Amino acid sequence: EAGVAQSPRYKIIEKRQSVAFWCNPISGHATLYWYQQILGQGPKLLIQFQNNGVVDDSQLPKDRFSAERLKGVDSTLKIQPAKLEDSAVYLCASSPGTNYQPQHFGDGTRLSIL
Amino acid sequence: SQQGEEDPQALSIQEGENATMNCSYKTSINNLQWYRQNSGRGLVHLILIRSNEREKHSGRLRVTLDTSKKSSSLLITASRAADTASYFCATDGGGGFKTIFGAGTRLFVKA
Repeated sequence: EAGVAQSPRYKIIEKRQSVAFWCNPISGHATLYWYQQILGQGPKLLIQFQNNGVVDDSQLPKDRFSAERLKGVDSTLKIQPAKLEDSAVYLCASSPGTNYQPQHFGDGTRLSIL
Repeated sequence: SQQGEEDPQALSIQEGENATMNCSYKTSINNLQWYRQNSGRGLVHLILIRSNEREKHSGRLRVTLDTSKKSSSLLITASRAADTASYFCATDGGGGFKTIFGAGTRLFVKA
């Protein structure tokens, strides 16, 4: 089966600019996750979708971050405006159902803020 | 805040040796998972152990879970250079929905 696809792989922007990331999960996977991974740390969950509904977004900085999952398939994560501390790898993952099942990760988008 | 904390932060061993990594967590859980991350790549799921299980094996991997101590260990036997990676434990925090990762153990296996 095809894995989780993410684009772009790398992005460099200046602070206060906006940026968007795209994720295509494994076909048939109901749950989609966006994580932020700062260098040297573990991934931090930003938002979790079950189909096209939000299950958890408690750690999403909603004043600047937004995410949507149209038709319960692809998803986009947007940052507007970006801050220096947003420099990180943004990982997308999917699973067939709940957290009782393994998550499949994409290779992420490495974001650098200048 | 992070639920799982791995120990040690970094580990360097010779090829053929065993590597043991530990994970401690704070609240009760339904399951605990271990993932591997190679440099510049996404995480890869290794093994899931449920709260009513004490030990699980998968190839050269052995995972134990002690819910009374809120801790888990991952043992990699007969390590290979290809095992060089970061290893993370992840818990569900007991609620079943949010996955919480630890900071990871960086393993370096010297050929």
